[in-house]
This record gives sequence, structure tokens and C-alpha cells, in this order.
Amino acid sequence: DQQVKQNSPSLSVQEGRISILNCDYTNSMFDYFLWYKKYPAEGPTFLISISSIKDKNEDGRFTVFLNKSAKHLSLHIVPSQPGDSAVYFCAASEGGANSKLTFGKGITLSVRP
Amino acid sequence: DTEVTQTPKHLVMGMTNKKSLKCEQHMGHRAMYWYKQKAKKPPELMFVYSYEKLSINESVPSRFSPECPNSSLLNLHLHALQPEDSALYLCASSQGFTGPEKLFFGSGTQLSVL
Repeated sequence: DQQVKQNSPSLSVQEGRISILNCDYTNSMFDYFLWYKKYPAEGPTFLISISSIKDKNEDGRFTVFLNKSAKHLSLHIVPSQPGDSAVYFCAASEGGANSKLTFGKGITLSVRP
Repeated sequence: DTEVTQTPKHLVMGMTNKKSLKCEQHMGHRAMYWYKQKAKKPPELMFVYSYEKLSINESVPSRFSPECPNSSLLNLHLHALQPEDSALYLCASSQGFTGPEKLFFGSGTQLSVL
């Protein structure tokens, strides 16, 4: 049973427009959420995170929104750039005694020039 | 230095071979991880070392044997693997292993078992 779900396998947007990547989770004990970006033949790189005590965190072009009641988070990239084309993984942890991360399946974002 | 270095990048081995994957970080991190990722699947946790002690083993078959010689190095010894073990093996590190942590990943070793 997948605890972190990224139901859309792919997303294509025009350069300069907003990209919205969605993630849902089922484990109510998750309290820390991260987004990772992965290019082919490379390991995932950390993008942005959010703690459950917040509902928004911003870093440059990247903003993550958390809706705890809906168990939903989203990553907004604006403006989207061709270099953002990659696979984006949502991940979550329960914090507390350990930092074990549970990953979603990933979304492939393509930004068209 | 914010790098996690994994060697080799690619490995092809037979089912009777013994090989090792290596991982190194010099960020002073005290937690190190092995993840396995199959194509179009999320990374799956295999092992976690915290302060050079094995903290988590996610019921990984004994043909995978982790080793943490010191706080900067993590090895994964492979023996008698099966073709279904072919995958991308990712090493990661974090400052600690208590509370929320950001993981830094290496580029991975793409393993093919023939």
C-alpha cells in the first residue's frame, strides 16, 4: 500500500508558465515533507521541504503548499524553465525517532521552450 | 563539499560473483543510507547506519551485506544475486537520523545481474 502517492505520471507545460505537481499521502503520522528532483543518470537532489507546522514554504521559483486536512501537498514552479525538466519525487517522514523517508513514484515534468 | 560519491557507476555481474558498491561523503554526516530503485518506481530504503551502527534493515535478503567502516564510508557487499536484483542502488547521507532530515544522494550504481 503506497503511503505517498503521485497519481499523475507526467506533466508538460510551456516555458514561463506555472508547473503544479501534486502529491497525496495516507499516513497521518507524516510531519515532514520534501521534494526531490532527479535528472537521468543522477541521484535525486533536494529541492524544498515543509514541516507540518507550516502550510507554505517558498524558495525562489519554488513554493510548496501543504494541506494537512486533505493530506495533500503541491509544488509550484513559476516561471517554469526548460532546465526544470526532470522527474520530481515527493517524500515524507514521520520525524520523531528516525528520519526514514517514504517516496512517491515520481512525476516527469517536461517544460517546452 | 556537498557530494556523495558512489563507485562504480555501472556494474554487470553474474549470479555467482561477489562484488561491492562503495559510497563516500565528507560532509561530516553521521547517518548513511542505501536505497534501491527499479525503473519507474520510487526509491526503496534498504539500510540505515547511524553513527556507524546499523539502525534499520528493511528485511533485505542476506545476499546484500552492508558495512560502515567509518563515518565517511559505506559499502554494500553483493553475493549470489538474482536477476531481479538489477536496479539503481543509491547511497545517501544526512546530518543525523533523529527528527526531520534532508538526505543528500549520490548518483547511484546501475547494477545488472545476468
